[in-house]
Amino acid sequence: AAGVIQSPRHLIKEKRETATLKCYPIPRHDTVYWYQQGPGQDPQFLISFYEKMQSDKGSIPDRFSAQQFSDYHSELNMSSLELGDSALYFCASSLGVVSGNTIYFGEGSWLTVV
Amino acid sequence: AQSVTQLGSHVSVSEGALVLLRCNYSSSVPPYLFWYVQYPNQGLQLLLKYTTGATLVKGINGFEAEFKKSETSFHLTKPSAHMSDAAEYFCAVSDRDGDMRFGAGTRLTVKP
Repeated sequence: AAGVIQSPRHLIKEKRETATLKCYPIPRHDTVYWYQQGPGQDPQFLISFYEKMQSDKGSIPDRFSAQQFSDYHSELNMSSLELGDSALYFCASSLGVVSGNTIYFGEGSWLTVV
Repeated sequence: AQSVTQLGSHVSVSEGALVLLRCNYSSSVPPYLFWYVQYPNQGLQLLLKYTTGATLVKGINGFEAEFKKSETSFHLTKPSAHMSDAAEYFCAVSDRDGDMRFGAGTRLTVKP
């Protein structure tokens, strides 16, 4: 079965550069979530979208922005990168935003800021 | 806000022994609770979830968890540990928007 696809899987950027991560949800899923997992940390919720509209916002820095497109894929844009942004970024998708719906995770995109 | 607390950042068991990973939740409304497993350098895989109905939930790989409202707990168990169970386990709760909040994780080590 098709899963959540994230690209790129690995990315290395320098401080103050910009990075864009892409997420392709499971077919027919209309909700996308972004999480950030620092080294040895639990995943932290950043932001979510339902039907191309932002549905909830977590601990996403102002330097970051995201959107969901008409084909339901999502992009996370990160600007003025800092060393502390180095982390594993997960995208997840679900069908609807009803609490309790299973959220399926991608394998993550590793961002290293040097 | 809803949250979960995982007791014990590291748990070590012998192969064949009982696995018990503890999770307590805080919620002002009936919670939806999940356990995810993360293998090294991989994404999060759903083990099981509780939404409504039967409080004993069975998941994949022989894991199960019991929702105990009186104890605000959702502990994960497996009768007999396998070497392949070694991983990081995350308890999570979802709020009304479906967004998920994770515990700090418990690293399970299985000794031969």
